[in-house]
Amino acid sequence: ILNVEQSPQSLHVQEGDSTNFTCSFPSSNFYALHWYRWETAKSPEALFVMTLNGDEKKKGRISATLNTKEGYSYLYIKGSQPEDSATYLCAFMGSNYQLIWGAGTKLIIKP
Amino acid sequence: SAVISQKPSRDICQRGTSLTIQCQVDSQVTMMFWYRQQPGQSLTLIATANQGSEATYESGFVIDKFPISRPNLTFSTLTVSNMSPEDSSIYLCSVERTGGGYTFGSGTRLTVV
Repeated sequence: ILNVEQSPQSLHVQEGDSTNFTCSFPSSNFYALHWYRWETAKSPEALFVMTLNGDEKKKGRISATLNTKEGYSYLYIKGSQPEDSATYLCAFMGSNYQLIWGAGTKLIIKP
Repeated sequence: SAVISQKPSRDICQRGTSLTIQCQVDSQVTMMFWYRQQPGQSLTLIATANQGSEATYESGFVIDKFPISRPNLTFSTLTVSNMSPEDSSIYLCSVERTGGGYTFGSGTRLTVV
């Protein structure tokens, strides 16, 4: 059974602080790793699709790294703002092109 | 990328009844995907809806419980039949984005009482 684990499950961060969280996934049959941000009552929004080991992607204050050999990705948020409050989901896509989702990290930014 | 309109956004239903969820896409797409997220759980793919053929269901999901329609390349419905409290979940439809990743509807939050 393929498993995608995200940690921590939830996180409270002071506004202005930087933070990061982890997505662990199978290290075999890797095709891509997806990150999404899901705000309450809105659609999940695609952040990154990462395919290469060692890849690093950035979108504004958010960045992500990828290690396919050991099966983990980190998502970093620099200088957290209240609008960053959301659940961050990662999904592993294997060589069968099926997505396996983590349960998410719920991020709450305290003003 | 595509924009998806999903309805209803939420509903509270009596057990034993059925609810049909609709997704309208603003462009033609080959495949539409239906997901469920039960409380505290990961997103789980229910089925893939293709226009002109029967939906492909994932393990653990059956057509009698989750019938899907795909009458054209911009529209799909998912029905949750004979509901029980265990069906209380967020249901999402999605389509592939050009350039990678997926676009999602805003979800249907279903509570079965």
